[in-house]
Amino acid sequence: GAVVSQHPSWVICKSGTSVKIECRSLDFQATTMFWYRQFPKQSLMLMATSNEGSKATYEQGVEKDKFLINHASLTLSTLTVTSAHPEDSSFYICSAEGVGYTGELFFGEGSRLTVL
Amino acid sequence: RKEVEQDPGPFNVPEGATVAFNCTYSNSASQSFFWYRQDCRKEPKLLMSVYSSGNEDGRFTAQLNRASQYISLLIRDSKLSDSATYLCVVNMWNTGKLIFGQGTTLQVKP
Repeated sequence: GAVVSQHPSWVICKSGTSVKIECRSLDFQATTMFWYRQFPKQSLMLMATSNEGSKATYEQGVEKDKFLINHASLTLSTLTVTSAHPEDSSFYICSAEGVGYTGELFFGEGSRLTVL
Repeated sequence: RKEVEQDPGPFNVPEGATVAFNCTYSNSASQSFFWYRQDCRKEPKLLMSVYSSGNEDGRFTAQLNRASQYISLLIRDSKLSDSATYLCVVNMWNTGKLIFGQGTTLQVKP
């Protein structure tokens, strides 16, 4: 199946710093990628939809200036958490639609962010 | 009301048991349905799609009831390796977004 790689897997940072998470589709071109956040024992919550070459579409309640998304190529989308605070600590997961979309999403391995 | 609702469990069952999970969705415009499996601290992985006629994949059977707006997953002959969280996922036709349920946790005991 299609492979989506996410980096880094773990990151610990100080409050106030910015953290960038990369999501790459390794063997297919992804025109659309999705970014989710998952708090412990909760479901995945869609943060934004990232479209190659255009601005991301953010879900209600997600601050676009805090969670910067860039989808500069068909194989790479990045999420930057700016001025991170402890409440931003979470599991961030990206996913991508494959070619000939059937409804299945291919997920990255996830990035666990801890803000001290 | 949540768009997709699941009983979070946990469901604790012995090996070999049959266990069933239900999931309800609120939007009748929902187009397609899936069960994903998520292991602790890992990304979700597609277990199976759910078709209107019902479908089976080995020990797993999925059913869809559009009239009552619920989806079910039946696992027969449970294995220790089935222990995970099972996510009910609904695709909204008008937005193309996948909406995830909270997940149901299954623990299979020896």
